[in-house]
Amino acid sequence: KAGVTQTPRYLIKTRGQQVTLSCSPISGHRSVSWYQQTPGQGLQFLFEYFSETQRNKGNFPGRFSGRQFSNSRSEMNVSTLELGDSALYLCASHIQGTKQETQYFGPGTRLLVL
Amino acid sequence: GNSVTQMEGPVTLSEEAFLTINCTYTATGYPSLFWYVQYPGEGLQLLLKATKADDKGSNKGFEATYRKETTSFHLEKGSVQVSDSAVYFCALTDDSGYSTLTFGKGTMLLVSP
Repeated sequence: KAGVTQTPRYLIKTRGQQVTLSCSPISGHRSVSWYQQTPGQGLQFLFEYFSETQRNKGNFPGRFSGRQFSNSRSEMNVSTLELGDSALYLCASHIQGTKQETQYFGPGTRLLVL
Repeated sequence: GNSVTQMEGPVTLSEEAFLTINCTYTATGYPSLFWYVQYPGEGLQLLLKATKADDKGSNKGFEATYRKETTSFHLEKGSVQVSDSAVYFCALTDDSGYSTLTFGKGTMLLVSP
């Protein structure tokens, strides 16, 4: 089975721009979660989608948004980029989103905001 | 809220040494516990997990036991290899009905030949 894919892998943007990141989960998985990884804050939960519905959201400003399509692929969008948004953005794919399930992570998209 | 505390790194060991990385957690109810590993330039990979008290997770020579009484999930390996050099994250999901992972800060392991 193919793993979780994320595109693009690297991205450089300037302050004020917006960015869209994409995640394709493992075939058959209906749940996708997004996490932000920074050296200072570590790994922080952004949001989770299940069957095209946002099921849970972390403590991030409204500039961070996401969506999920009928084929379970997910996108996240960050508008009005700030320097502090520079991070590795990881998506995780899981079957249904229960607490015992393994979450399978993609390689991440590394975003640099200048 | 939930929290996970891991020992700070880096942990520096010689090949074939014994490894312990401590992890303690705060969560209500009965969380599921995980160890993930991140190699340079990559995403996270599940190393092992335990979903109820006294369960032992194991994989690739690594082990961790879910200790409810001490709220701990320490990672151990009897003989580390250079290829084990990576960052290790302890994490939990709680009883809220969501699958949100709460992570520790991570512990870097460096193994020298």
